[in-house]
Amino acid sequence: AQKITQTQPGMFVQEKEAVTLDCTYDTSDQSYGLFWYKQPSSGEMIFLIYQGSYDEQNATEGRYSLNFQKARKSANLVISASQLGDSAMYFCAMRYSGGSNYKLTFGKGTLLTVNP
Amino acid sequence: KAGVTQTPRYLIKTRGQQVTLSCSPISGHRSVSWYQQTPGQGLQFLFEYFSETQRNKGNFPGRFSGRQFSNSRSEMNVSTLELGDSALYLCASSYRSNEQFFGPGTRLTVL
Repeated sequence: AQKITQTQPGMFVQEKEAVTLDCTYDTSDQSYGLFWYKQPSSGEMIFLIYQGSYDEQNATEGRYSLNFQKARKSANLVISASQLGDSAMYFCAMRYSGGSNYKLTFGKGTLLTVNP
Repeated sequence: KAGVTQTPRYLIKTRGQQVTLSCSPISGHRSVSWYQQTPGQGLQFLFEYFSETQRNKGNFPGRFSGRQFSNSRSEMNVSTLELGDSALYLCASSYRSNEQFFGPGTRLTVL
């Protein structure tokens, strides 16, 4: 079974500063993928970044980077130069990628508030 | 390329009724997954369809069902609605295993 743990229910950051959102996972699978999504108050889940378990380099997408530490089973999201529009819920998720199972397992989420 | 669309966006039903939600995936995507999001349980996987076949199923009662059509559009049905079925229902489509794009969701309220 797969499990995602996000230990920070809420985080505050000043505009233009960097912030790290924590995510740890538990799985017995060797081949898996890790995702981060942003959910504004409107409800839509916006895909941010993906990291495969065999990827040697940390994923980056613009201001988003994923700090992947496989031995520690952590996949923290780093947002650089925070903007007011970054205020939202952030979800970490994982999926077994060795077969045809596209099911995502989500964490409970972290509510990020960016202060001006 | 158009994103995932879901209709309706909002729905109000009463206990005992049934409801059908619709999802149109991104063009070319053959996998469609459904999730339920509630404040108490968070995001939970309902089921996934691929080429008109249910490929995976979450731990939900049989009142929750779905189907996928030949054009990859998917519908989800909930029969005999209960108050606890009030939730945001999210649909997602995929072409590869390293992606899953979500629609805006259908917010269902059961009175």
